[in-house]
Amino acid sequence: EVQLVETGGGLIQPGGSLRLSCAASGLSVSSNYMSWVRQAPGKGLEWVSVIYSGGNTYYADSVKGRFTISRDNSKNTLHLQMNSLRVEDTAVYFCARDRFNLAAAPYHYYMDVWGKGTTVTVSS
Amino acid sequence: SSELTQDPAVSVALGQTVRITCQGDSLRSYYASWYQQKPGQAPVVVIFGQNNRPSGIPDRFSGSRSGNTASLTITGAQAEDEADYYCNSRDSIGDVVFGGGTKLTVL
Repeated sequence: EVQLVETGGGLIQPGGSLRLSCAASGLSVSSNYMSWVRQAPGKGLEWVSVIYSGGNTYYADSVKGRFTISRDNSKNTLHLQMNSLRVEDTAVYFCARDRFNLAAAPYHYYMDVWGKGTTVTVSS
Repeated sequence: SSELTQDPAVSVALGQTVRITCQGDSLRSYYASWYQQKPGQAPVVVIFGQNNRPSGIPDRFSGSRSGNTASLTITGAQAEDEADYYCNSRDSIGDVVFGGGTKLTVL
């Protein structure tokens, strides 16, 4: 069974740091594009970051310079290091596998496997 | 980055057909994917590509595209279809974008 399980969430003060993990089973983190998506309370989905199978990383402007996505191939685990946390980073954080076909337009892109999420609360 | 625009809320009578739309420039290059999210749960993809349903998604869900607008149609809506629906694609620089979401109420 393909499964993603996020851990590491919690209550943290503004300016603090937190590291989220996403343990994968049934799929290889290193062979796939993997994303973090967050959802603030009562709000919609917001993409946070992606790591490509080749190792390239990309970030939403809202977290650029503060968050770092990485993976541990030996543990088949995705990470999100979050520094300089702000109140507005409060959200449920999901990890997901990205799928796509960029052979010819119109292209397609989607996330087919999601974890259940871990909650991050930034508050003093 | 490019935006995807969705109506905040839509309602449908039980058993009737409803269309949820998503507009954005990126949809001229990308098919939209569609996600269903119920309270307290992770999103689930219901439509991707031209009109593909993952295994386990009922065939009452379908997708279409015209110009910069993508649509998710539910033909014969059921009570269990009441949920938030999000569209998703990538923008011109490759960033992932989501629509603001549509809350579907089944009356």
